[in-house]
Amino acid sequence: ILNVEQSPQSLHVQEGDSTNFTCSFPSSNFYALHWYRWETAKSPEALFVMTLNGDEKKKGQISATLNTKEGYSYLYIKGSQPEDSATYLCAPEDGTYKYIFGTGTRLKVLA
Amino acid sequence: SAVISQKPSRDICQRGTSLTIQCQVDSQVTMMFWYRQQPGQSLTLIATANQGSEATYESGFVIDKFPISRPNLTFSTLTVSNMSPEDSSIYLCSVEDIASRNEQFFGPGTRLTVL
Repeated sequence: ILNVEQSPQSLHVQEGDSTNFTCSFPSSNFYALHWYRWETAKSPEALFVMTLNGDEKKKGQISATLNTKEGYSYLYIKGSQPEDSATYLCAPEDGTYKYIFGTGTRLKVLA
Repeated sequence: SAVISQKPSRDICQRGTSLTIQCQVDSQVTMMFWYRQQPGQSLTLIATANQGSEATYESGFVIDKFPISRPNLTFSTLTVSNMSPEDSSIYLCSVEDIASRNEQFFGPGTRLTVL
């Protein structure tokens, strides 16, 4: 799996705004898609693992969808809070334990 | 979930020297990996650390530059050898156990600056 693209690269939103990011990946050899949240000086934190086309996952105010046929996933944050500020990474996997990461979307939520 | 620690958390090194980064896990795990993130780049897999045998390196990474040890199922080291400023990166270890497939946990990273 090559060419994982995330957009936008960075984003500033006001507290309370809802936002979404995109992860695009080649649809061949797909096994799973991972979303991580990475705050500075901390460990990347796993948010979701998605495997099936049409999957939707939710964790609090964060949710994600997956389209394996067209090769994209969306991450949504409803009512962003300053503590949501982080870099959000996606990583498709081809089943060999190797994750191919995108460059991430840096989110800054302004109070 | 596994708890992973790394040492050092950050370092500033001179060109031509080497640095060894340690990764310690609080439980035995099957798979251990080393990644790096250069400034502005994506997190990139360097190698899979294999217990009791040589690491498996990804394209573009070689053992002479990034020797890796994994003496047991809870510990691994990555050495960045003969450093140059291009080696300035965040280095992270991650683990995944076959028993909990699809869950890869990361350490907090080592931020390396090479002058």
